[in-house]
Amino acid sequence: GAVVSQHPSWVICKSGTSVKIECRSLDFQATTMFWYRQFPKQSLMLMATSNEGSKATYEQGVEKDKFLINHASLTLSTLTVTSAHPEDSSFYICSARGNQAGGTYNEQFFGPGTRLTVL
Amino acid sequence: GENVEQHPSTLSVQEGDSAVIKCTYSDSASNYFPWYKQELGKRPQLIIDIRSNVGEKKDQRIAVTLNKTAKHFSLHITETQPEDSAVYFCAASIVVGNQFYFGTGTSLTVIP
Repeated sequence: GAVVSQHPSWVICKSGTSVKIECRSLDFQATTMFWYRQFPKQSLMLMATSNEGSKATYEQGVEKDKFLINHASLTLSTLTVTSAHPEDSSFYICSARGNQAGGTYNEQFFGPGTRLTVL
Repeated sequence: GENVEQHPSTLSVQEGDSAVIKCTYSDSASNYFPWYKQELGKRPQLIIDIRSNVGEKKDQRIAVTLNKTAKHFSLHITETQPEDSAVYFCAASIVVGNQFYFGTGTSLTVIP
């Protein structure tokens, strides 16, 4: 099956610094990637949708200047949390949808997630 | 946008019993409904999905039903086992648009 990796798996940073999270599709081309945020014991909240080579589409209430998303290639998307604050501490999960062997998945394949802690 | 509601938020069943989780959605254009299982600290895993042209789908002990008129769909797990214990999320999507909107999750505990 399709594999999605995320790096780092966890990160601790000081308030005011920026943190970059990478999401990679390892064995397929991800035409679309999604970024979610999950608080403890809560659901996955869609933050933004990114298509390769174009600007990300952010969900209502998500600050695009704070959560910078880049999808420069068909296998890599990055989420940068700028000027992070303690309230940004959360579990960030990416997912990818794309083509494999000429087909197009409806299924989203999730990365393992990144736990961000801002001190 | 789409609003997906999920009930119950927690569910405890005895091993061997059945578990049912229900979701409703608001956008009549949604036509793809996956269910994900998430174990603590791990990524969500797709367990079953259904498209709007089908009313029911079954895969061994897991089944999903869809009522498009009422805009609700349900997950049924029969002969539950302790390893079924996890958080389950439903989601709705317009296939072309592709964004998934998740329900609030159900924490299922199967008591041995």
